[in-house]
Amino acid sequence: ETGVTQTPRHLVMGMTNKKSLKCEQHLGHNAMYWYKQSAKKPLELMFVYSLEERVENNSVPSRFSPECPNSSHLFLHLHTLQPEDSALYLCASSQDRVGTGDTDTQYFGPGTRLTVL
Amino acid sequence: AQSVSQHNHHVILSEAASLELGCNYSYGGTVNLFWYVQYPGQHLQLLLKYFSGDPLVKGIKGFEAEFIKSKFSFNLRKPSVQWSDTAEYFCAVSRGAAGNQFYFGTGTSLTVIP
Repeated sequence: ETGVTQTPRHLVMGMTNKKSLKCEQHLGHNAMYWYKQSAKKPLELMFVYSLEERVENNSVPSRFSPECPNSSHLFLHLHTLQPEDSALYLCASSQDRVGTGDTDTQYFGPGTRLTVL
Repeated sequence: AQSVSQHNHHVILSEAASLELGCNYSYGGTVNLFWYVQYPGQHLQLLLKYFSGDPLVKGIKGFEAEFIKSKFSFNLRKPSVQWSDTAEYFCAVSRGAAGNQFYFGTGTSLTVIP
C-alpha cells in the first residue's frame, strides 16, 4: 500500500534542531491528519486539515507547526523539541464529505520514528 | 470526553482458537466505528468499519465485529485465528455528525502461537 507516504522514516534530532516531517497522499483525498503514537497510549490526534485549512488543533505545543500547501501534501515542522516528544508520528488522509460531517475511512502512512536526544 | 476502551492489552492464543477483542466507547451520539490492524513492521490498515445498517460487519481475513448500541460496544471476533494474525489491533470511533474527529483505543497486542 503506497497511498500515503512519509519521509523520513527515522529521524534523530537534538533539542535545538529544526527539522520537518513530510507526508504525501496519492489517493485524491481532501483531508489530512497528523497523529502521535507513543507506547502504551492511544493514538493522539494532533492536527486535521480539510480542504487545506486547519480544522483541528488538539492543544498541541507550538514547537510543532503544521503546514498544508495543497491537498496532497502535509508537513510537520519541528523546533526545540523535548525528549518526551520522541514517538512515532503518523500521517493519514481521508475523503471528508464536506458539509455533512461524515468522515470516511482514514488511510495511514508508515510513520516517522522520531527520537529527540 | 469521548473515549475508547480496549479491555485486553495483550492476548496470547494458539492457532485455531477463537478470538474476541473488546471495545467500548463513551460517546452517546451518532458514531462510526472502525477496527485497524498493524502487523509487525507495517503501517495501520483498515480491518473493517461500521457506518450504518447491519450491526454485524464482516471485514477482511475472516474478521467480523458486532455493533451493540445499547452496550456502546464494537467487539472484534474471529472464529479461528492463524499465526499470521499476530499484530496490534486498534478500535477507533469517529463522531459521525461532528466533523473529523477520530478517537483510538490503546490497542490490543495479539500473539498467535503456531
